This record gives sequence, C-alpha cells and structure tokens, in this order.
Amino acid sequence: LAKTTQPISMDSYEGQEVNITCSHNNIATNDYITWYQQFPSQGPRFIIQGYKTKVTNEVASLFIPADRKSSTLSLPRVSLSDTAVYYCLVGDAYGGSQGNLIFGKGTKLSVKP
Amino acid sequence: NAGVTQTPKFQVLKTGQSMTLQCAQDMNHEYMSWYRQDPGMGLRLIHYSVGAGITDQGEVPNGYNVSRSTTEDFPLRLLSAAPSQTSVYFCASRGEGGLGTEAFFGQGTRLTVV
Repeated sequence: LAKTTQPISMDSYEGQEVNITCSHNNIATNDYITWYQQFPSQGPRFIIQGYKTKVTNEVASLFIPADRKSSTLSLPRVSLSDTAVYYCLVGDAYGGSQGNLIFGKGTKLSVKP
Repeated sequence: NAGVTQTPKFQVLKTGQSMTLQCAQDMNHEYMSWYRQDPGMGLRLIHYSVGAGITDQGEVPNGYNVSRSTTEDFPLRLLSAAPSQTSVYFCASRGEGGLGTEAFFGQGTRLTVV
C-alpha cells in the first residue's frame, strides 16, 4: 500500500479556498486516491476519490497531476463547519485485503471566523 | 436507511472483563472492518472481513476476536479488557470494488477500561 504524507494541520478563515496536498510517491498503477473527512466524535465520511486529472463533486475538487505522485484536495469557500480532520488514502481499487483503508494522522483543518 | 449501526455508544469496563461490540449494516456490503482511534491519532485497522465466514487480521489485532456468520453483522470481542484498549472503536462497511468504493462508518463506540 502506498504511503501518504500530508500536513499535520492547517488554518484558514471563512470564505477562503483551502488546498490540502498529499504526497504518495510510490503509488501503484491500480491505486485510487480517496479523501475522507472526520468531524469530532464521528466516524470518517467519504468526500471524493479519483484516479487521474481532476474530479469535482458538490463538496470538493481533487486535482491529480499526470505522474500521480501527489494530489490536492480543494475546498471552495470554507465555513466553520468544514473544521475537521481530512485523510488522504491511496490503495488498490480491486478489493480484498488490498482494499483496506489505511489511515494516517490526517490534516487537521481549523476554520476561523 | 440505517447504514452502519454500532452498539453500545459508550461503555466502561473493568480490567479483565470481556465484552462484545456490535456492528450491523443493512446495505448488503461484503466488506466490513473494525478500527480503533486513540486521541489525536488516525484510525488503525483491527480486523476485517471480505464476506460471511471470512475474517483476517489488520494492523493491531492482539486482544480482539471477530466472527462473521452473516453478511449483516460483524461483532468485535474483547477477550480480557486492558487499559491500553481504551479508545474509540469504529466499524465500517463497503461494497465490492476496493478502495474506489465509498466506505460507510458507524458513529463509534467510546470504550474506557479502568
């Protein structure tokens, strides 16, 4: 499973765009990149996943360069409710033990008024 | 939809006691797993199952047992509780398709061992 590196913490203000970058230098051909969000006292929640280029949904965008050795989660115009820990996960897309979600410490995003 | 349901939400145990944390999902997912999360840390995988009758160990399996007799249920048993097992426990499930498939987590069980 590819190891990921992301900042431990980030601060932002309401209304700003936040970009969280994750490094995964040894990503494999079958690996997907997935981001989860965790609020205090809750289980993680799926935000977005992608394989290459750009993916956008109603919550966030995910930018993946051609070499796929990093990815950037972009949260547009954050609010106080976006304060959470964000986890970047990289792993095999085809299930079984290779499909285990292996969490690092994540990035603690604090949004201030 | 109920999704993933964990019970109990809170539990206090004395050292040496045993108990079972319950996890049930109603999405007909084949893959289920248990994690523990210590303060300020990420989640660590305890055990997982890729289908009824099939279980395997994760990163931190010692002191825990699991079984998977049905698709819906995946209980986690603490054999002899220790203070080091004080943690928040999360159960997750997802359908086939590996990491590319969204995983759903329960609300967690906060366990304190005294």
